Amino acid sequence: QITLKESGPTLVKPTQTLTLTCTFSGFSLSTSGVGVGWIRQPPGKAPEWLTLIYWDDDKRYSPSLKSRLTITKDTSKNQVVLTMANMDPVDTATYYCAHVLWLGEYYYFDYWGQGTLVTVSS
Amino acid sequence: QSVLTQPPSASKTPGQRVTISCSGSTSNIGSNYVYWYQQLPGTAPKLLIYKNNQRPSGVPDRFSGSKSGTSASLAISGLRSEDEADYYCAAWDNSLSSWVFGGGTKLTVL
Repeated sequence: QITLKESGPTLVKPTQTLTLTCTFSGFSLSTSGVGVGWIRQPPGKAPEWLTLIYWDDDKRYSPSLKSRLTITKDTSKNQVVLTMANMDPVDTATYYCAHVLWLGEYYYFDYWGQGTLVTVSS
Repeated sequence: QSVLTQPPSASKTPGQRVTISCSGSTSNIGSNYVYWYQQLPGTAPKLLIYKNNQRPSGVPDRFSGSKSGTSASLAISGLRSEDEADYYCAAWDNSLSSWVFGGGTKLTVL
């Protein structure tokens, strides 16, 4: 059974750096074809993809946010960490991590964590 | 404004069938697979349809997906009150090099 859970601060100040951790179980990030991604959803709006990391440490970033994002993995701890620099009130959203199933010609997000609401305010 | 266009709302009665559309372009739906997610109030999105029309294990066959050209649709038959949720389509966009989502359709089952 695949489960993921996000953790981190619920409130950050503008210009600060956000660090979120995704702790998962039911799969290993050392297994070929597996990845973990981050998606955020502002209140009342659609989801927005941020980044993902594969089992082989290959990384992909949303072009619009690439300069602010970093994703890393700790396979031994079953964790993936997202950092987002220079936070702004418009970054207020629920941040989700999700399991990525990679099947060669395509991949998708099949299991999502419960999400964590991050508010950016001074 | 979302890259993929969905109707903002739909309203049906129990037992009816509803179809939710998702319109895109050649760089996303026209050349990649479409995925559909269901988001019940206060919960995370749940995968309903992958690869245009495939259902993950555990998703009832009342839910079906289709794609034609640069548009896709999600159909739900035999509507139940528990189907009340927001539904989102998603696809990879080759031009943007990014996943894109529709704006979501809020389904009300009266």
